[in-house]
Amino acid sequence: AQSVTQLGSHVSVSEGALVLLRCNYSSSVPPYLFWYVQYPNQGLQLLLKYTSAATLVKGINGFEAEFKKSETSFHLTKPSAHMSDAAEYFCAVMNLPIQGAQKLVFGQGTRLTINP
Amino acid sequence: GAVVSQHPSWVICKSGTSVKIECRSLDFQATTMFWYRQFPKQSLMLMATSNEGSKATYEQGVEKDKFLINHASLTLSTLTVTSAHPEDSSFYICSARMAGSNYEQYFGPGTRLTVT
Repeated sequence: AQSVTQLGSHVSVSEGALVLLRCNYSSSVPPYLFWYVQYPNQGLQLLLKYTSAATLVKGINGFEAEFKKSETSFHLTKPSAHMSDAAEYFCAVMNLPIQGAQKLVFGQGTRLTINP
Repeated sequence: GAVVSQHPSWVICKSGTSVKIECRSLDFQATTMFWYRQFPKQSLMLMATSNEGSKATYEQGVEKDKFLINHASLTLSTLTVTSAHPEDSSFYICSARMAGSNYEQYFGPGTRLTVT
């Protein structure tokens, strides 16, 4: 079974500082990996995805993530945090069975707080 | 493009009553829709997968007679919480997979259910 572990349920950074949100996955097959952002009382918005193409993936709002197979990691980064980045972030791995629908398995989430 | 809506956005109902939540893909056809539940400060847990015109597939531990899912058309899936209890209070989020896509899901804004 596939799983995702997000290290740190809460990360706090200063405005303008580097954002690093950690995600490690477990998968017996090459995974598809996703990062989503959730603002309070809203659904999920896709930030970026890895689907076995380039290992460095660029997403929206200046975020990027690097797939490292040797480390089974897919950490999310942003060079300079903005106040509007404050939200909950979820890493997810997709189960790709031969038959049936592909299911997303989510990590526990990381709440990002930006200090002025 | 790829917009998913949910209705209502929030609902309060009395214990023992039933409530229906709608999930619509507004600008695309969705062969598969997913229903998730999210408790406060927790991650999303997949409840069931519904395919248009067929019975939903429920995850282990989810009562299919309590959470009735109907996916009658390529743009609409409904989740009915029957005989609701306070412990059913949660944030319910749906997602839809576009016909012809093999993995990408688009999420709705969620429905906050409070059972009193």
